Amino acid sequence: AQSVTQPDIHITVSEGASLELRCNYSYGATPYLFWYVQSPGQGLQLLLKYFSGDTLVQGIKGFEAEFKRSQSSFNLRKPSVHWSDAAEYFCAVGAGGGADGLTFGKGTHLIIQP
Amino acid sequence: DGGITQSPKYLFRKEGQNVTLSCEQNLNHDAMYWYRQDPGQGLRLIYYSQIVNDFQKGDIAEGYSVSREKKESFPLTVTSAQKNPTAFYLCATLSPGGNQPQHFGDGTRLSIL
Repeated sequence: AQSVTQPDIHITVSEGASLELRCNYSYGATPYLFWYVQSPGQGLQLLLKYFSGDTLVQGIKGFEAEFKRSQSSFNLRKPSVHWSDAAEYFCAVGAGGGADGLTFGKGTHLIIQP
Repeated sequence: DGGITQSPKYLFRKEGQNVTLSCEQNLNHDAMYWYRQDPGQGLRLIYYSQIVNDFQKGDIAEGYSVSREKKESFPLTVTSAQKNPTAFYLCATLSPGGNQPQHFGDGTRLSIL
């Protein structure tokens, strides 16, 4: 069975500083990987996805993620965070390409310091 | 305006009662999903349906039931057998065509009175 680990429950970053959120996955086949963001009391918004091809994927809001098969990782990065980036971030892996549902990590809560 | 509508946003239930959460979509997507979110737990899959009149259990289906009589609708019933129903419930759809992400509604927060 697939699983996702997000090792950091909370991360605090100063506004303007760079950001990296970690995600490690366990999956027997080629993984379909996603990063979603959630504001309090809201649904999830897709930031970016990886299915195949180029291992560095670009997303919305200036985010990018790099797929590293040898490390079973899919870390999310942003060169300069804004106060509006404060939210909960979820990494997910898709069974059957996502058609059979997603398995999520427990999330990382991002706090932005002024 | 295309999207996924979950209603109501807040729902209260007395112990021992069944309650049904609504999920409607006008995106013409075949596949629909229900997830449960608890604090610090991420999202867990309850049920999903890839086509009308068919659905599959997810990882935590016990105490829940679903139906899929129409493409646009995938209601979730939280039964009295669900011992800890207080949670945030999210509905999602999957774009057709392969290699597509899931799209989420804004969720329903269920609380026990």
